[in-house]
Amino acid sequence: DIQMTQSPSTLSASIGDKITITCRASQSINNWMAWYQQKPGKAPKLLIYRASTLERGVPSRFSGSASGTEFTLTISSLQPDDFATYYCQQYGPSSRAFGQGTKVEIE
Amino acid sequence: EVQLVESGGGLARPGESLRLTCTASGFTFSSHVLDWVRQAPGKGLEWVSGISGSGGTTYYADSVKGRFIISRDNSRNTLDLLMNSLRVEDTALYYCARMRRETGAFDVWGPGTVVAVSS
Repeated sequence: DIQMTQSPSTLSASIGDKITITCRASQSINNWMAWYQQKPGKAPKLLIYRASTLERGVPSRFSGSASGTEFTLTISSLQPDDFATYYCQQYGPSSRAFGQGTKVEIE
Repeated sequence: EVQLVESGGGLARPGESLRLTCTASGFTFSSHVLDWVRQAPGKGLEWVSGISGSGGTTYYADSVKGRFIISRDNSRNTLDLLMNSLRVEDTALYYCARMRRETGAFDVWGPGTVVAVSS
């Protein structure tokens, strides 16, 4: 099965900062990558799919990119509502896998 | 409104069984792959199992293979997860999630149901 390695596990930042979260797949996944935001006590919310397509209704400060087996979620200017935990997720023909999560905290 | 609602969670002893059900509404149920994803207390998301729209193909994480069985009833718009031989480490909040076609991404999630396994 494909393994996902997400980093960092925790990120401290301030309002207005640009932040980047990275996920690395153990093998090629042909951009079958999604990103989610989760807040305490809530189900995850889809932000980006197919590595770089923004989900409808998600602010444009969120973006995704891919380079080989490395995938990046970027928030261009952190807002108060963005403090949450973020997960990457790969889709495979017979399995899926989530990254370990990145908690974005207020610095 | 597109909606998923899980039920059937509760307390079980190690070795016992539980059946979770996810009831869907607001979309063409049989057109979508559906999965179960769990989250242990204070931990990250873990994929558990998935099933094709027809129900003919199923997938399992290694951690539950041979113990859990996923199934669906497209006439009743329900998704089930039969959990056998439960272990303490199966304790988690269990979500059902809809996969959007041709994206591999989960675009609709239920609120989850709690499973606690303890002696």
